[in-house]
Amino acid sequence: EIVLTQSPGTLSLSPGERATLSCRASQSVSSSYLAWYQQKPGQAPRLLIYGAFSRATGIPDRFSGSGSGTDFTLTISRLEPEDFAVYYCQQYGISPYSFGQGTKLEIK
Amino acid sequence: EVQLVESGGGLVKPGGSLRLSCAASGFTFSSYSMNWVRQAPGKGLEWVSSISSSTSYIYYADSVKGRFTISRDNAKNSLYLHMNSLRAEDTAVYYCARQSNGYSGYDCAYWGQGTLVTVSS
Repeated sequence: EIVLTQSPGTLSLSPGERATLSCRASQSVSSSYLAWYQQKPGQAPRLLIYGAFSRATGIPDRFSGSGSGTDFTLTISRLEPEDFAVYYCQQYGISPYSFGQGTKLEIK
Repeated sequence: EVQLVESGGGLVKPGGSLRLSCAASGFTFSSYSMNWVRQAPGKGLEWVSSISSSTSYIYYADSVKGRFTISRDNAKNSLYLHMNSLRAEDTAVYYCARQSNGYSGYDCAYWGQGTLVTVSS
């Protein structure tokens, strides 16, 4: 089973700053089947990135994904007020598919 | 517009059973793989199960294997999750989710609003 570890647990930043979120896998994620999701309170998650770096439909280009193998990164180039939320990574290359524990991005 | 609407949640006693449904519309249901993902109150996301478009491939989390069964009816544009031997730790909001496209793997691009399952005596 692939375990995903996200860091940091909480990230405190201000609007306009750059955010860098990390997701590390316990073994290599096949074919870069790695996704990033955003979730706000009381809402279903929203897919941001799939295939490690492909932006989902309608996602602004300030969101970008990178990485391969066991180390992946979600970068938000300039934070907007609506970006403060919880972010999850997920690997769907090898079953059982798994999510990371989440990174909470909060306003500083 | 892609729409996914879950139903069937509710309160059930430990050891009981429940069937969740997910009604899909706005796309060709039979062309896409589907997923169930759950979220316990105040906790993170947990992948539960996935099924390919033709039902050739089915996968389960270890925590539900042998107790839950995923299925789909492409003629009815519906996804199901049959849950048996329910435990308190199965209490969660259950989401159905559709993959991005036919070759994106089992990502979750479109989500329903979720249905709450509470297992308690």
